Amino acid sequence: NAGVTQTPKFQVLKTGQSMTLQCAQDMNHNSMYWYRQDPGMGLRLIYYSASEGTTDKGEVPNGYNVSRLNKREFSLRLESAAPSQTSVYFCASRRTSGLGETQYFGPGTRLLVL
Amino acid sequence: DAKTTQPTSMDCAEGRAANLPCNHSTISGNEYVYWYRQIHSQGPQYIIHGLKNNETNEMASLIITEDRKSSTLILPHATLRDTAVYYCIVRATDDKIIFGKGTRLHILP
Repeated sequence: NAGVTQTPKFQVLKTGQSMTLQCAQDMNHNSMYWYRQDPGMGLRLIYYSASEGTTDKGEVPNGYNVSRLNKREFSLRLESAAPSQTSVYFCASRRTSGLGETQYFGPGTRLLVL
Repeated sequence: DAKTTQPTSMDCAEGRAANLPCNHSTISGNEYVYWYRQIHSQGPQYIIHGLKNNETNEMASLIITEDRKSSTLILPHATLRDTAVYYCIVRATDDKIIFGKGTRLHILP
């Protein structure tokens, strides 16, 4: 099992450009999440998907859109990147939304917006 | 907002037990306490979780007070590789999991 994979690992964008961050998990998990982490800060939840076909906003959804393409894949899109979106983005997955279930994280995507 | 309060940073000598406290005074009866850690520039790593009983696994022990308003993560024999930010999380009633700022643990040689 590869666990949770993310692409790309690094990306540099100019202000106003768009891009999609990809996330996939091979653990047959129902729930998937996108977080961002700014330097020296904790993780903040952007969007999550409790199951295939559903998505919900987290703490900081503005400027982002998500797609739960299928059970394996959960993508995060920046339609018009801004310097404030410079951050490290982590994807995570969890088997169910029930209590007591562990969340597994990917290695992160480091995004710089100039 | 995160539902937990943790010290910003702590130091611990290598080989000693590291005891990381967490306050969660508004925890609900069916909410679990989770602990994760994040080693520099890596994704967070699950450590342990519990509801009301103390728990132990190969990484750590979790002690939850009887009133469940606080807990302590114990790393029994800290090594330099345990230097990380440790997050205490209380599972929300919906599917959201909110991380706070965590405790930055420095293991001193």
